[in-house]
Amino acid sequence: GQNIDQPTEMTATEGAIVQINCTYQTSGFNGLFWYQQHAGEAPTFLSYNVLDGLEEKGRFSSFLSRSKGYSYLLLKELQMKDSASYLCAVKDSNYQLIWGAGTKLIIKP
Amino acid sequence: GAVVSQHPSWVICKSGTSVKIECRSLDFQATTMFWYRQFPKQSLMLMATSNEGSKATYEQGVEKDKFLINHASLTLSTLTVTSAHPEDSSFYICSATLGEVEQYFGPGTRLTVT
Repeated sequence: GQNIDQPTEMTATEGAIVQINCTYQTSGFNGLFWYQQHAGEAPTFLSYNVLDGLEEKGRFSSFLSRSKGYSYLLLKELQMKDSASYLCAVKDSNYQLIWGAGTKLIIKP
Repeated sequence: GAVVSQHPSWVICKSGTSVKIECRSLDFQATTMFWYRQFPKQSLMLMATSNEGSKATYEQGVEKDKFLINHASLTLSTLTVTSAHPEDSSFYICSATLGEVEQYFGPGTRLTVT
């Protein structure tokens, strides 16, 4: 079956750095996405990786290793507004998005 | 970026009635739209994939006669929850694709069935 694993919850301090990991086992691979979702709101797109390596976008970076079935989202200079759930999703061989359960990130002052 | 709207943003209905939720792509034409359901503290669950002018493709376990999807134009898809029951209370989110990469999500519709 298809499976995406990410930690259920993480806690970090304002101003610090946090890394959210995602491992996946899917039938085929056509890209990996990270989305941010605040409570009660729809997800918003953060990043897309289809090739191995690091993609940097401001305070957020996303890394992919296809051979290891592994990605991480790195958040720097954490702000209170970064408190949200972070969803990892993979497009499989049918271009269907398979979603992880999400990681709830709690930022403390 | 591309904008997707949903209407209504929240709705309360009585058990046994039907509710229609609209999803519109405001500044682009979306050949494919997706409908998701999300229960509290859970991840997104894909309900169906909707292509303009054709029947929706439903995920396993989703009743197509209960969740009617119509994708009448390149900018509008509707989800009708028929004979709603309290267990249908959930956060319903649509999304639309622009190209192969990104899905743009609507703001969601919170349905409460009493």
